[in-house]
Amino acid sequence: DTGVSQDPRHKITKRGQNVTFRCDPISEHNRLYWYRQTLGQGPEFLTYFQNEAQLEKSRLLSDRFSAERPKGSFSTLEIQRTEQGDSAMYLCASSRRMRDITDRETQYFGPGTRLLVL
Amino acid sequence: SQKIEQNSEALNIQEGKTATLTCNYTNYSPAYLQWYRQDPGRGPVFLLLIRENEKEKRKERLKVTFDTTLKQSLFHITASQPADSATYLCARHFGNEKLTFGTGTRLTIIP
Repeated sequence: DTGVSQDPRHKITKRGQNVTFRCDPISEHNRLYWYRQTLGQGPEFLTYFQNEAQLEKSRLLSDRFSAERPKGSFSTLEIQRTEQGDSAMYLCASSRRMRDITDRETQYFGPGTRLLVL
Repeated sequence: SQKIEQNSEALNIQEGKTATLTCNYTNYSPAYLQWYRQDPGRGPVFLLLIRENEKEKRKERLKVTFDTTLKQSLFHITASQPADSATYLCARHFGNEKLTFGTGTRLTIIP
């Protein structure tokens, strides 16, 4: 297993279009997180899954955003009717419950999907 | 709300010297503070985690301290190398939840 993967790596779209991103976490990681990062800022939390259950959503996640993790493995993040303000890097991370507390709490990030809305 | 601040937006250090980055937080202490490295166009890479009941944690040339009185964590890179140049992010969390990140410090090691 080579880590968290995200697809696509880059996406350019026109305002008003819908986009969908995919995240494949590290195998057997039961937690999956989505973050958004704009230039010069740290990542900001969007939402989080434990297995297939979406447990928390940020206020940043407007009605145009929806995330799923149907079988508790990969996840998708969809943005409907994109706006220029949605341009950002979308990061996915996963983590796993383990006895060693350091490993349990560590979130492993993917390479991100960079979205540009024209 | 819980805030986390990294005071320096950018830091230039001569190769071979120790780089020290600062992370401050508001309100109550997080259970954990984590430090990540991020290279341009890449996702953050985990470096070190320190718990609130730990004063110091080390890993090779890296050292992290956690001072709950000052509400501060310091991140040190000793014998710095140009390859250490990157953005370093501090993040707090309270357990199996989201990370709250600072804005990061862009570190440049000058040969």
